[in-house]
Amino acid sequence: DAGVTQSPTHLIKTRGQQVTLRCSPISGHKSVSWYQQVLGQGPQFIFQYYEKEERGRGNFPDRFSARQFPNYSSELNVNALLLGDSALYLCASSFAGSRQYQPQHFGDGTRLSIL
Amino acid sequence: AQTVTQSQPEMSVQEAETVTLSCTYDTSESNYYLFWYKQPPSRQMILVIRQEAYKQQNATENRFSVNFQKAAKSFSLKISDSQLGDTAMYFCAFLPPQGGSEKLVFGKGTKLTVNP
Repeated sequence: DAGVTQSPTHLIKTRGQQVTLRCSPISGHKSVSWYQQVLGQGPQFIFQYYEKEERGRGNFPDRFSARQFPNYSSELNVNALLLGDSALYLCASSFAGSRQYQPQHFGDGTRLSIL
Repeated sequence: AQTVTQSQPEMSVQEAETVTLSCTYDTSESNYYLFWYKQPPSRQMILVIRQEAYKQQNATENRFSVNFQKAAKSFSLKISDSQLGDTAMYFCAFLPPQGGSEKLVFGKGTKLTVNP
């Protein structure tokens, strides 16, 4: 079975531009979470979506937004890019539908570089 | 707010030897999950081992085991018989029990190098 897939793998943008990152979860997984990993740091939680509804939001400005589609894939949008937005953006999916906790599975990430 | 602290930015070990990575966390919750994730240069975050806080028995997965000390809020990872493929960043992570939330809280990581 295919794992979590993210696209693109690498992206270069300039300050002020907008970017859209995409994530396809593992088949059957209904929850998608987004994390930002700045170089040398651990990932930081941005959003979680479950069944197309936002279930959690981290401490990020309104320039960051996301959505989930009926097929459970997800997009992360970042507007008015700043140099500090340069990071690895990780997507994780999980079943999130059973009483017993099911761990998240991560994709390979999108490396976003802001010039 | 929950926090996770990994006090060892870098560690190294000889192949076939044992190494222990440290992690402490801060929470007022009584039930939660703890994880160790491995991130090789390929970037993908791979789950190594997990521990439910209500279980007293320490989790083990082949060469990987944890020492979970709930009262001390400590969660260390022991890697036995280290292999070159264990070279990676290791992140300790905490998941609070917030009604379906998947918000993992990560530490800053420990870079582990296994030397031949």
